[in-house]
Amino acid sequence: DIQMTQSPSSLSASVGDRVTITCRASQGISNYLAWFQQKPGKAPKSLIYAASSLQSGVPSRFSGSGSGTDFALTISSLQPEDFATYYCQQYNSYPLTFGGGTKVEFK
Amino acid sequence: EVQLVESGGGLVQPGGSLRLSCAASGFTFTNYWMSWVRQAPGKGLEWVANIKQDGSKKNYVDSVKGRFTISRDNAKNSLYLQMNSLRAEDTSVYYCAREAPTSGVPDFWGQGTLVTVSS
Repeated sequence: DIQMTQSPSSLSASVGDRVTITCRASQGISNYLAWFQQKPGKAPKSLIYAASSLQSGVPSRFSGSGSGTDFALTISSLQPEDFATYYCQQYNSYPLTFGGGTKVEFK
Repeated sequence: EVQLVESGGGLVQPGGSLRLSCAASGFTFTNYWMSWVRQAPGKGLEWVANIKQDGSKKNYVDSVKGRFTISRDNAKNSLYLQMNSLRAEDTSVYYCAREAPTSGVPDFWGQGTLVTVSS
């Protein structure tokens, strides 16, 4: 199974900050990497697929990068509605696997 | 409007069975792979299983193989998860998700149904 490691596990930030979350795969996954946002008590929401393609309706302040084993999700200017937990997922091979999550908290 | 509505969760004893359902509407169900993803209380997301549009291909995480069965009824626009031999570690919110045709990534999720396995 491919292990996905996210860092940091949590971070504190302020509105307007630039935030970057990283995700590392235990083996190469090309660009088969997705990012999700989840708020407490809610279902996850898809943000990015194919490492850098934005899902329809996702604000352009979100961007993704990387290929192979190292990936990043960047929020260029953190907004109040962005405080949430973020997960990466590889879909290169079964079983599909998620990272452990990164909680973005208000500083 | 795309809607995925899960049902069938509840409290079950270890070793018991439960069948989850997911009613889909607002899109052409037969065009999409469908998935189940779960989340234990206070924990991260875990992919459980998915199924091809016509039901001919199914994939499972190892921890549920032989115990869980994913299926669909395209005439009823419904997805199912039959869960047998349930264990305490299966306690989770179970989400039904639609996979985008171009990427295979879940692009829409239901609100989830809670399964609690406890005596």
